[in-house]
Amino acid sequence: TQLLEQSPQFLSIQEGENLTVYCNSSSVFSSLQWYRQEPGEGPVLLVTVVTGGEVKKLKRLTFQFGDARKDSSLHITAAQPGDTGLYLCAGVQGEYGNKLVFGAGTILRVKS
Amino acid sequence: GAGVSQSPSNKVTEKGKDVELRCDPISGHTALYWYRQRLGQGLEFLIYFQGNSAPDKSGLPSDRFSAERTGESVSTLTIQRTQQEDSAVYLCASSLSYNTGELFFGEGSRLTVL
Repeated sequence: TQLLEQSPQFLSIQEGENLTVYCNSSSVFSSLQWYRQEPGEGPVLLVTVVTGGEVKKLKRLTFQFGDARKDSSLHITAAQPGDTGLYLCAGVQGEYGNKLVFGAGTILRVKS
Repeated sequence: GAGVSQSPSNKVTEKGKDVELRCDPISGHTALYWYRQRLGQGLEFLIYFQGNSAPDKSGLPSDRFSAERTGESVSTLTIQRTQQEDSAVYLCASSLSYNTGELFFGEGSRLTVL
């Protein structure tokens, strides 16, 4: 059983479409991070959200942390083939430290 | 290089053999982490080091797994008497310290146990 549940597990869309990926838990996290991982590489940090209700934007990507700090979403506007990859959410439990609990990830494929 | 370096990138071994996986963190990063990623699953925490000490070994799956770090630099993850279920990508990451800084991941070592 995953502490962080991500959905959907797999998403295949056309270039230009919008999409949302969800990360849900019954646990509270002091912060939550989103990573993108490409085949044969390690995950790369996209964003960290800390405050309940926080919204952060990174170009066409919008990240939101739930008010109760138990869930998060990643919205991509006008997806491009370069967005293809595995998107992972990871939560930090406790008030300090970098021990991350990861979700299973969402595989995104954007077709041109 | 400037990033986290892991070796070997690929390792195929026979069941029952021992394997060693190496991680060179970013210079100056005092914290180092090992994660395991099975196919179709997220990253599973194994162990972290602050300096050469390992305050949290709770993620090591069994006593066949051990890790050490020397000189506040290189770390080695050793798996003894490998089993087929040990097949996975083993990822290493480092950060400035355990309390601060972004985690930077290496490309991983893919282990296949036949």
